[in-house]
Amino acid sequence: QKEVEQDPGPLSVPEGAIVSLNCTYSNSAFQYFMWYRQYSRKGPELLMYTYSSGNKEDGRFTAQVDKSSKYISLFIRDSQPSDSATYLCAMSSTGSARQLTFGSGTQLTVLP
Amino acid sequence: GAGVSQSPSNKVTEKGKDVELRCDPISGHTALYWYRQSLGQGLEFLIYFQGNSAPDKSGLPSDRFSAERTGGSVSTLTIQRTQQEDSAVYLCASSLADRGHGYTFGSGTRLTVV
Repeated sequence: QKEVEQDPGPLSVPEGAIVSLNCTYSNSAFQYFMWYRQYSRKGPELLMYTYSSGNKEDGRFTAQVDKSSKYISLFIRDSQPSDSATYLCAMSSTGSARQLTFGSGTQLTVLP
Repeated sequence: GAGVSQSPSNKVTEKGKDVELRCDPISGHTALYWYRQSLGQGLEFLIYFQGNSAPDKSGLPSDRFSAERTGGSVSTLTIQRTQQEDSAVYLCASSLADRGHGYTFGSGTRLTVV
């Protein structure tokens, strides 16, 4: 079993929909949680960063961490065609980039 | 430069040949990382450079893989005697410090071994 599980999709939604992307993990020591967006043939770019449990909001994006359930989510409100990309979750027990464990990514398509 | 630059963007090579992949980090970034992204897999850490310190090579999958960083700037990842399982996207990232939320990725080199 992988340390981080992420549904690969593909996920296809109409423009304006609310999108929910999720990851589950098994390592209870994880306390730094990140979401990256990766456009086709580009490198990942950081979307959201959360330390420990709770919610964090940035514009149309909301990240949630539930450490008791070992479950993290990324919500996208009013989804746009420009949100079409692969979304990767990543997490670690320290802040070190060397020790990040990535999910395999969920491919999202927002249809106009 | 404005971002992390990687070259070539695509590389097709024959099994058994050696390849070199290049990374130009953001100017002033002392930390540099190489990752591998295989189809349907998450990013796999390969190697980390920080300033003049000895590199962290703990993620290199075999002794066919090596990397160097000259003058604290440009880095080259070398894969010797390439195998088909080496086919992947090789991503480089740089940052000011070793923080998972503070680094910038390049667009990667897509390596295909035939």
